[in-house]
Amino acid sequence: EIVMTQSPATLSVSPGERATLSCRASQSVSSNLAWYQQKPGQAPRLLIYGASTRATGIPARFSGSGSGTEFTLTISSLQSEDFAVYFCQQYKNWPPLFTFGPGTKVDIK
Amino acid sequence: QVTLRESGPALVKPTQTLTLACTFSGFSLSTRGMCVSWVRQPPGKALEWLAFIDWDDDKYYRASLKTRLTISKDTSKNQVVLTMTNMDPVDTATYYCARMAPDTAHAFDIWGQGAMVTVSS
Repeated sequence: EIVMTQSPATLSVSPGERATLSCRASQSVSSNLAWYQQKPGQAPRLLIYGASTRATGIPARFSGSGSGTEFTLTISSLQSEDFAVYFCQQYKNWPPLFTFGPGTKVDIK
Repeated sequence: QVTLRESGPALVKPTQTLTLACTFSGFSLSTRGMCVSWVRQPPGKALEWLAFIDWDDDKYYRASLKTRLTISKDTSKNQVVLTMTNMDPVDTATYYCARMAPDTAHAFDIWGQGAMVTVSS
């Protein structure tokens, strides 16, 4: 099984500042990497797929980069609605095998 | 508009079988490339993928739970059903279904609101 790790576990950021979240895979997943945002009591929301493509309706302040085993989600200027938990996920297309990282909580500094 | 909604019991007893339904609209699971997965999240913990079914009725399961899980679809009802046998308190979690579509590289692009299931006697 491909193991996903995320760092840091918690990131304290002031509104308007830049946030950089990291995700690492235990083996190469190519660009088969997605990022999700989850707020308390809500389902996850897809932000980024294919490592760097924003999903429909996701603001341009969210960007993803990386390939292979190292990935980054950057939020260029944090808004109040961005304080949440962010999960990365790898998806190996065949046979389907999906694993999530443990999450990074972005909270207000 | 694509929507998914999970339904099922909020409380099950240990050793019982859990049956959850995912009823969806806005897409067809008979369309080539469309898939639905089940994912769960224990309280305060990370997401865990459980099972997958695609338009061609291919099915895949989390290896550690494979003997306990069954996924099926009823295309005419726009529904995907997950059963999990021999429930245990550690299976207490919110259970989500999520769509996977070719145009988002089969990431989980639309999620249901989740169904909280508590396993307790």
